[in-house]
Amino acid sequence: GAVVSQHPSRVICKSGTSVKIECRSLDFQATTMFWYRQFPKQSLMLMATSNEGSKATYEQGVEKDKFLINHASLTLSTLTVTSAHPEDSSFYICSARDLGWYNEQFFGPGTRLTVL
Amino acid sequence: TQLLEQSPQFLSIQEGENLTVYCNSSSVFSSLQWYRQEPGEGPVLLVTVVTGGEVKKLKRLTFQFGDARKDSSLHITAAQPGDTGLYLCAGVISNFGNEKLTFGTGTRLTIIP
Repeated sequence: GAVVSQHPSRVICKSGTSVKIECRSLDFQATTMFWYRQFPKQSLMLMATSNEGSKATYEQGVEKDKFLINHASLTLSTLTVTSAHPEDSSFYICSARDLGWYNEQFFGPGTRLTVL
Repeated sequence: TQLLEQSPQFLSIQEGENLTVYCNSSSVFSSLQWYRQEPGEGPVLLVTVVTGGEVKKLKRLTFQFGDARKDSSLHITAAQPGDTGLYLCAGVISNFGNEKLTFGTGTRLTIIP
């Protein structure tokens, strides 16, 4: 199957700083990537859909100025958590859709963000 | 907002026993997927069911999609410790060629050796 990587896997930052998370499709091109958020012992919640070359589509209740998404190439999408606060601490997971695999989404290993 | 409720939320059983996890919604989905997630990792796709009433088997796991495409079940036969994990169902919503996943509430399964 297709491989999706995320970097970093873990990040700890101080409140008020910004953190960038990268999501890469390693062996396929992804016109669409998705960003999810998962709180401890909870399910995944879709935050936004990232389309290469266009603006991301955010789900209801997700602040687009808080969570900046850039999908500059067919293999890379970035999520920047701006002015992070402790309540932003979570597990962030991206997925990438490979149209050659019947629209299946392949998930990255996740990034654990801890804001102090 | 489409909600997918899974039951039970937590399940702890002895190795060798059988179990069933349910995924229910009031919404109709074009297809439904089941994932397993290990701690600190992303979810891994187990199966996709597309047709109402469809049954798919993956070794000891049997997946069924409801006739109305609103619900699904996962049955595990003779559970093993390696089956331990978070099981997530996800409904697929198609919108003008764009597909989004709505994840269920999750079932945390622990198999006791």
